[in-house]
Amino acid sequence: QVHLVQSGAEVKKPGASVRLSCKTSGYTFTNYGITWVRQAPGQGLEWMGWISPYDGDTNYAQNLQGRVTMTTDTSTSTAYMDLRSLRSDDTAVYYCARDFDNRHFDYWGQGTLVTVSS
Amino acid sequence: QSALTQPASVSGSPGQSITISCTGSSSDVGSYNLVSWYQQHPGKAPKLIIFEGSKRPSGVSNRFSGSKSGNTASLTISGLQAEDEADYYCCSYAGSSTSPNWVFGGGTKLAVL
Repeated sequence: QVHLVQSGAEVKKPGASVRLSCKTSGYTFTNYGITWVRQAPGQGLEWMGWISPYDGDTNYAQNLQGRVTMTTDTSTSTAYMDLRSLRSDDTAVYYCARDFDNRHFDYWGQGTLVTVSS
Repeated sequence: QSALTQPASVSGSPGQSITISCTGSSSDVGSYNLVSWYQQHPGKAPKLIIFEGSKRPSGVSNRFSGSKSGNTASLTISGLQAEDEADYYCCSYAGSSTSPNWVFGGGTKLAVL
């Protein structure tokens, strides 16, 4: 059974950084990409980027370039998302999802709430 | 502003059918057969219910169906049930040379009256 379990809620001050984790199980980690999607309070979904656990290849949304880094640890089947220089509009629930062959997102983590506030 | 346009809300009575539209452009919905739909209940993660325009994952009710015509994709839910009340999001691939690579609709809130 495929599971993606994300780390707990975070509260950060503007300008700080945050690292979120997404621990996977139930499938071969290196066979599927990981996509990160965020959802601001009361808003829709926003694609943030993608990483291939197989070779570390990444692709980030242009509006986050320079502030976001996605990595993976194949020894623990865990994906990480670092977001720097946090602003109030980064307040959102952040989801990781398994990327099925760059065609759709078939399994999702439970989400991590990141609150950015002074 | 979302790249894909969905109605903000739709409603229906139990047993009825409803359709949610998702309008994109020739750069996304119209170019790729990679439209997916996600159901999201309050406080929960999105759940894949339709992929590649019209395919259902294992375990998803056949009351959910998808289609596409030109730059517009549609999700139809037949035989509405109370548990279908949720937010629905469409998503389309927009190409590897564009950013973002994937675009979502703004979401549609379905009320089962």
